[in-house]
Amino acid sequence: AQKVTQAQTEISVVEKEDVTLDCVYETRDTTYYLFWYKQPPSGELVFLIRRNSFDEQNEISGRYSWNFQKSTSSFNFTITASQVVDSAVYFCALSDLKDDGANNLFFGTGTRLTVIP
Amino acid sequence: NAGVTQTPKFRVLKTGQSMTLLCAQDMNHEYMYWYRQDPGMGLRLIHYSVGEGTTAKGEVPDGYNVSRLKKQNFLLGLESAAPSQTSVYFCASSYLLSGRNGYTFGSGTRLTVV
Repeated sequence: AQKVTQAQTEISVVEKEDVTLDCVYETRDTTYYLFWYKQPPSGELVFLIRRNSFDEQNEISGRYSWNFQKSTSSFNFTITASQVVDSAVYFCALSDLKDDGANNLFFGTGTRLTVIP
Repeated sequence: NAGVTQTPKFRVLKTGQSMTLLCAQDMNHEYMYWYRQDPGMGLRLIHYSVGEGTTAKGEVPDGYNVSRLKKQNFLLGLESAAPSQTSVYFCASSYLLSGRNGYTFGSGTRLTVV
């Protein structure tokens, strides 16, 4: 069974600080996908990134970067020079491949990030 | 392009009442999903569909029924609402194989059962 652990329930940082959100996962699948989603106070889910299990390259997108380490089953997310607009709940998710081919998502419990101006 | 549209956005039900949540997507996606989000528990899969006319149970299916009569629509029904079903419900859709952008989510339906 899939498992995603986001041990940090809430994090507060002062604007312009860097912050890393941790995600640790468990799966027996040899091929899987990992995701990060952002949920701002307005409530919608915003896709941030998808990573394949066979691609361990780190990725950077503007102030966002992701560190995927298969050896430690971690997929951490770093925001550089945080801004107030980054305040949101961030979810890490792991694909859950069903027998009928459906590729569902198994979510962690989320980390609430508050950026203080 | 509307993406995934959920109706209604808010609803208050009395215990025992029934209702149907509608999810509509205009992206010709094969797969559709219903999730519920509860405080401190992330999102959990209720039911999903791999195509028109098919449905399957997810992680927390009890108390819900679903139907996919048309490819673009996925309905979630509560036959006899209970306070434990107070939650935010999200619908999502995707292609047969996970696309680069993963899943497209609707904006959610906030349901309160009193």
